[in-house]
Amino acid sequence: KAGVTQTPRYLIKTRGQQVTLSCSPISGHRSVSWYQQTPGQGLQFLFEYFSETQRNKGNFPGRFSGRQFSNSRSEMNVSTLELGDSALYLCASSLVTGQYNEQFFGPGTRLTVL
Amino acid sequence: KNEVEQSPQNLTAQEGEFITINCSYSVGISALHWLQQHPGGGIVSLFMLSSGKKKHGRLIATINIQEKHSSLHITASHPRDSAVYICAVENNFNKFYFGSGTKLNVKP
Repeated sequence: KAGVTQTPRYLIKTRGQQVTLSCSPISGHRSVSWYQQTPGQGLQFLFEYFSETQRNKGNFPGRFSGRQFSNSRSEMNVSTLELGDSALYLCASSLVTGQYNEQFFGPGTRLTVL
Repeated sequence: KNEVEQSPQNLTAQEGEFITINCSYSVGISALHWLQQHPGGGIVSLFMLSSGKKKHGRLIATINIQEKHSSLHITASHPRDSAVYICAVENNFNKFYFGSGTKLNVKP
């Protein structure tokens, strides 16, 4: 099975622009979660989508949004970029069987905001 | 206060040493995850546990639900174990909280 893929891998934007990142989960996985990782704050949970519905949301401003398509692929969007949005954005997919939710991570998209 | 506290933040060991990384949490959880992140960013899930103990090769993870504490042990450490180890807890609503990570450097 192919792993979780994320595109693009690297991205440079300027303040005020918007960006869309894409995540393709492992085939059969219906849950996709997004995380932001910065040197100062570590890993932080952004949101989780399951069957096209946002099921959970972290403590991020409304500039951060996402969606999930019927094939479970997910996108996240950041509008009006700020310098502090420079980070590694990771997505993870999971099968979600019963109680357990083992996460399989993609390689991440490294976003630099100038 | 962070929901998940890890210690130590940095750890240097000689090849062959036994290593322990600790994780304490303050929220109710459905599962605790140990993650490994190598330079370059890739994250691998090592363990997912909700009780007791799990073992994969030289890695052992334990959890004490009553004390809200988990440990990750590495036996016979090797330079290829050098990475950042992250403890994450999943609450009953599938929301994740992360520790700040432990940077491990195993010297040959």
